[in-house]
Amino acid sequence: GAVVSQHPSWVICKSGTSVKIECRSLDFQATTMFWYRQFPKQSLMLMATSNEGSKATYEQGVEKDKFLINHASLTLSTLTVTSAHPEDSSFYICSARDPLDQETQYFGPGTRLLVL
Amino acid sequence: QKEVEQDPGPLSVPEGAIVSLNCTYSNSAFQYFMWYRQYSRKGPELLMYTYSSGNKEDGRFTAQVDKSSKYISLFIRDSQPSDSATYLCAMGDQGGKLIFGQGTELSVKP
Repeated sequence: GAVVSQHPSWVICKSGTSVKIECRSLDFQATTMFWYRQFPKQSLMLMATSNEGSKATYEQGVEKDKFLINHASLTLSTLTVTSAHPEDSSFYICSARDPLDQETQYFGPGTRLLVL
Repeated sequence: QKEVEQDPGPLSVPEGAIVSLNCTYSNSAFQYFMWYRQYSRKGPELLMYTYSSGNKEDGRFTAQVDKSSKYISLFIRDSQPSDSATYLCAMGDQGGKLIFGQGTELSVKP
């Protein structure tokens, strides 16, 4: 199956700093990628839809100025958590839409963020 | 009311048991239904997806959808310790967004 990678797999940072997470589709081109957040024992919550070459579409309640998304190429989307706070600590997971099957998403392994 | 409801468990069964996992939903616009498996600290892995009411079988896994009742199920036959994971149902609408259930934590004991 298609492979999606994320980097880094985990990160610890101080409160107030910014953290960038990369999501790459390794063997296919993805015009659409998604960013999710998952708190412990909870479901994946969609944060935003990232479209190559255009602005991301954010879900209600997600601050676009805090969670900056850039999808500059067909294989890379980045999520930057700006001025991170401890409550931003979570598991961030990206997915990439299959270009041949709009209903299928391939998920990355996730990035665990801990803000101290 | 959440759009998708799923009992979080945990669910513990002996090896070889039949496992039944379920979700209910409220949005009639959902057109396709998926089950994902997620191991601890990993991304979700697609197990099965269906469009219509009825059953779909793949090896030890059977996905069942009842659109009239807004209810979906995943059955695992001859469960193995390696099946221990969190199982997430997900539903998609025409726009391609997925809404996930909370996930059910399953433990299969040898």
